[in-house]
Amino acid sequence: DTEVTQTPKHLVMGMTNKKSLKCEQHMGHRAMYWYKQKAKKPPELMFVYSYEKLSINESVPSRFSPECPNSSLLNLHLHALQPEDSALYLCASSQDPGRVRQPQHFGDGTRLSIL
Amino acid sequence: AQSVTQPDIHITVSEGASLELRCNYSYGATPYLFWYVQSPGQGLQLLLKYFSGDTLVQGIKGFEAEFKRSQSSFNLRKPSVHWSDAAEYFCAVGAGDRGSTLGRLYFGRGTQLTVWP
Repeated sequence: DTEVTQTPKHLVMGMTNKKSLKCEQHMGHRAMYWYKQKAKKPPELMFVYSYEKLSINESVPSRFSPECPNSSLLNLHLHALQPEDSALYLCASSQDPGRVRQPQHFGDGTRLSIL
Repeated sequence: AQSVTQPDIHITVSEGASLELRCNYSYGATPYLFWYVQSPGQGLQLLLKYFSGDTLVQGIKGFEAEFKRSQSSFNLRKPSVHWSDAAEYFCAVGAGDRGSTLGRLYFGRGTQLTVWP
């Protein structure tokens, strides 16, 4: 059983829609991450939140907007996406943002399809 | 700069056979190394990690990995593969982001494992 919960599991949206992906963890972790993963590729880091503050933005287009309402929740707001944004979006968390030895725990992801 | 190389894109083994997946890393300091497994339609599950001490680390599902500093390698092994081990395997190094203390993972490209009955 995964300790990082992502909803929805699947999402199909048009290019003009607005939707949100949600991620929740109750392990008391203070770092949370969004990744994008295309088929047969490793995850690509998008955003890192450290103590609920955005700490890393990997030059992600503004049509992706992250939000961290509290230490347990992470959202990714989507607007005006392009077909190439279709991918598996993974959320992860780790205990302490400054300790690289601590592993990241991943959710099962949201499979996003843009029509 | 940090990098991880998994030289094998795809490996096929028979059920019951032994397995070794290769991983080489490039990192200037003490590496923090991880192996993750991803089954179809799922997220990444941590198999094992290394950051100090005994260079042979044990993980879940009967996997082990050996850290060899002289070869900059962290190969994953299993003595007898089960059909359920068929999945994508990612090696990763944990490092500070651009020299900072904020940690991030640098992934290899992954190795797809197929298991024949």
